[in-house]
Amino acid sequence: KQEVTQIPAALSVPEGENLVLNCSFTDSAIYNLQWFRQDPGKGLTSLLLIQSSQREQTSGRLNASLDKSSGRSTLYIAASQPGDSATYLCVLGGNQFYFGTGTSLTVIP
Amino acid sequence: DAGVTQSPTHLIKTRGQQVTLRCSPKSGHDTVSWYQQALGQGPQFIFQYYEEEERQRGNFPDRFSGHQFPNYSSELNVNALLLGDSALYLCASSFSGGFYEQYFGPGTRLTVT
Repeated sequence: KQEVTQIPAALSVPEGENLVLNCSFTDSAIYNLQWFRQDPGKGLTSLLLIQSSQREQTSGRLNASLDKSSGRSTLYIAASQPGDSATYLCVLGGNQFYFGTGTSLTVIP
Repeated sequence: DAGVTQSPTHLIKTRGQQVTLRCSPKSGHDTVSWYQQALGQGPQFIFQYYEEEERQRGNFPDRFSGHQFPNYSSELNVNALLLGDSALYLCASSFSGGFYEQYFGPGTRLTVT
């Protein structure tokens, strides 16, 4: 069974800092990896999708990488803003869809 | 372009009852997946529907069943509700001809008393 772990579980940074969120998985037989953000009590907003054949994707201040051989993905957020405060989730698509444990990010003004 | 929509927004049911939740996928999408998110937890995959059939299933009992209609909309049915079924139920749609990028609806909050 696929195990997906996100480290750290919670992170608090001052506005303007660059930061990295980590996602580790145990089974490299994945179809894709998707990063989402979830605001309290709300649904999920897609941030980036990396296909299994790709190494990274970029959108604005966000960059996600994928290394299947080591079972890791990172989400890099540049110049963080208070509006980035949310829970960030990685999701692995394969035979099923597996969510990570989530990282709760707080950006302090 | 309407995104993924779910109804109802909130629902309160009594233990032992049955409930039906509904999902309309994003325009152009043909695959629908359902997830259960308990309070403070990450979403858990329930099942996925494609071409009106259940294609994948997570570790959920048979009390959880679903259906997909010819217009790709979907229903999630839960029988014999338990208190532990209280959760946010999320629907996600994707296009089978793409890379299965999922788009989520706002969810249905189910409370079982």
